[in-house]
Amino acid sequence: NAGVTQTPKFQVLKTGQSMTLQCAQDMNHEYMSWYRQDPGMGLRLIHYSVGAGITDQGEVPNGYNVSRSTTEDFPLRLLSAAPSQTSVYFCASSRDFATGELFFGEGSRLTVL
Amino acid sequence: GQQVMQIPQYQHVQEGEDFTTYCNSSTTLSNIQWYKQRPGGHPVFLIQLVKSGEVKKQKRLTFQFGEAKKNSSLHITATQTTDVGTYFCAYNAGNMLTFGGGTRLMVKP
Repeated sequence: NAGVTQTPKFQVLKTGQSMTLQCAQDMNHEYMSWYRQDPGMGLRLIHYSVGAGITDQGEVPNGYNVSRSTTEDFPLRLLSAAPSQTSVYFCASSRDFATGELFFGEGSRLTVL
Repeated sequence: GQQVMQIPQYQHVQEGEDFTTYCNSSTTLSNIQWYKQRPGGHPVFLIQLVKSGEVKKQKRLTFQFGEAKKNSSLHITATQTTDVGTYFCAYNAGNMLTFGGGTRLMVKP
């Protein structure tokens, strides 16, 4: 059982480039979310989805887009990368929001030069 | 808005010593969750507390939720090097799970 799979694990971008971080889960979870983690800081919510076709903004959504066309996939798009978006990105899912437990992917480390 | 403060930010302990991290909110929380993140790893769910005054134990870990549901603590008895990592509390705010800043635990063997 793969759980939550994120790709790529590492990526270096130049300022202004765009890219998509992929996230897939095979647990049939309704709830999915993206967090970013910066050194010495906690996890900050970027976007989340309570089900296919539904997305909403978290605490720090600017510069990022998401979509949820299927239950399994929740890609995160950086529209025009900036050095401030250098971070580790985590995708997480749960069966539904009420059950609580979030399952995290292994993370994607992004550097923007 | 609602916010939790997690203290301390860092803690060095000698192996065998006890460790406690606290999560304090200015407002009542519906529930609290705790996660552990090993260095270089991803957060892993430890527990969820829902009831006022709730206490739960997992081996050497004891989790408490305050009577007023405004604070929570995680206590580790007799730390081991395997306890190294960052411990986060998290709470539900609408459909969002918001994390505290974390407490980084370092254990000297």
